[in-house]
Amino acid sequence: DTGVSQDPRHKITKRGQNVTFRCDPISEHNRLYWYRQTLGQGPEFLTYFQNEAQLEKSRLLSDRFSAERPKGSFSTLEIQRTEQGDSAMYLCASSLAAGGNTIYFGEGSWLTVV
Amino acid sequence: DAKTTQPPSMDCAEGRAANLPCNHSTISGNEYVYWYRQIHSQGPQYIIHGLKNNETNEMASLIITEDRKSSTLILPHATLRDTAVYYCIVRPILTGGGNKLTFGTGTQLKVEL
Repeated sequence: DTGVSQDPRHKITKRGQNVTFRCDPISEHNRLYWYRQTLGQGPEFLTYFQNEAQLEKSRLLSDRFSAERPKGSFSTLEIQRTEQGDSAMYLCASSLAAGGNTIYFGEGSWLTVV
Repeated sequence: DAKTTQPPSMDCAEGRAANLPCNHSTISGNEYVYWYRQIHSQGPQYIIHGLKNNETNEMASLIITEDRKSSTLILPHATLRDTAVYYCIVRPILTGGGNKLTFGTGTQLKVEL
């Protein structure tokens, strides 16, 4: 197992376009998290799944954002009608659900909206 | 909101120990102290975590004060590759709410020759 995998690593898109990021968690990790990080700031929590259920969404996750984890394995994060303020690194992480289990992050997907 | 306070930056000479402090005065008995680091343009990397006792692994040592209100991450022999932002995070033990990580702005450690 090579860890949490994210694709694409970099995406440049025009304002108003839709983008989708994919995350493949560590095998058998039933929790999956999405974070967003802008320059000079720490990662900010967006949402998390336990298996296929989306159990929490941050207020940062506007209506233009949607995340899915249809079979409890990989997840997608879609941003519709992108805005320049969406430019950031989108991080995916995974863990087991038991308390205190370590959360492991992927390398992130950089989004630039021009 | 982050429940920890860290200095914004620190410098360390290569080969010397790097001691990174963290204050978490409002920590409860149901919360761990976790440390992650983030090298430029990469995802956060787990370093170590602890509850009450001091912990050591191949990367670092974690010293937690007896009252648990502060801790220190020690990199015993810092190298240039340890240059990164280090995050101290208080994380709930219980699994409710996903016991997610809440990041602050961390400490930028610069290791120099």
